[in-house]
Amino acid sequence: ILNVEQSPQSLHVQEGDSTNFTCSFPSSNFYALHWYRWETAKSPEALFVMTLNGDEKKKGRISATLNTKEGYSYLYIKGSQPEDSATYLCAFAGNTPLVFGKGTRLSVIA
Amino acid sequence: DAGVTQSPTHLIKTRGQQVTLRCSPKSGHDTVSWYQQALGQGPQFIFQYYEEEERQRGNFPDRFSGHQFPNYSSELNVNALLLGDSALYLCASSPTGTGRLTEQFFGPGTRLTVL
Repeated sequence: ILNVEQSPQSLHVQEGDSTNFTCSFPSSNFYALHWYRWETAKSPEALFVMTLNGDEKKKGRISATLNTKEGYSYLYIKGSQPEDSATYLCAFAGNTPLVFGKGTRLSVIA
Repeated sequence: DAGVTQSPTHLIKTRGQQVTLRCSPKSGHDTVSWYQQALGQGPQFIFQYYEEEERQRGNFPDRFSGHQFPNYSSELNVNALLLGDSALYLCASSPTGTGRLTEQFFGPGTRLTVL
């Protein structure tokens, strides 16, 4: 059974703080690593799909890095804002359908 | 451009009943995947439909079945409902492909409660 682990489970930060969280995944049979943001009462929304070892992607204040050899990805949020409050999910794409982690729930306090 | 839509939003059923959930994919997408998210868990893959055929299936019993129509919309059917089937059911669409290398577009989900 494939295991995708996300840590921490939840996080509370002050507005303006920078933060990061981790997604660990199997290092074999790697195709891609997806990151999604899921705000309460909305649909999950794709942030990044990463495929290359060492890749770094950025969207505004959010960026992500990928290490396929050791099986981890970091998501960084610079200068957190209240609108960043959401659950952040990662999903591993191997030679199976997407396997999601349980998510990191981020609360940004104004 | 309408995104992925799902109906109904909420549903309450009793054990042993059958339920049908519906999904319309984003315009231009022909691949539909269904996920179950139980409380405290990440979404779990149920199955994927492409060209009206089930292309991939996750570790779910045969009580879970689906269908895709020529307009690419899809249904998820669950027979003989169990309490453990209570969950949020998400539909996601993607352009042609398995969705491993392309982002998936999710609907808002259907919350199923089995009493």
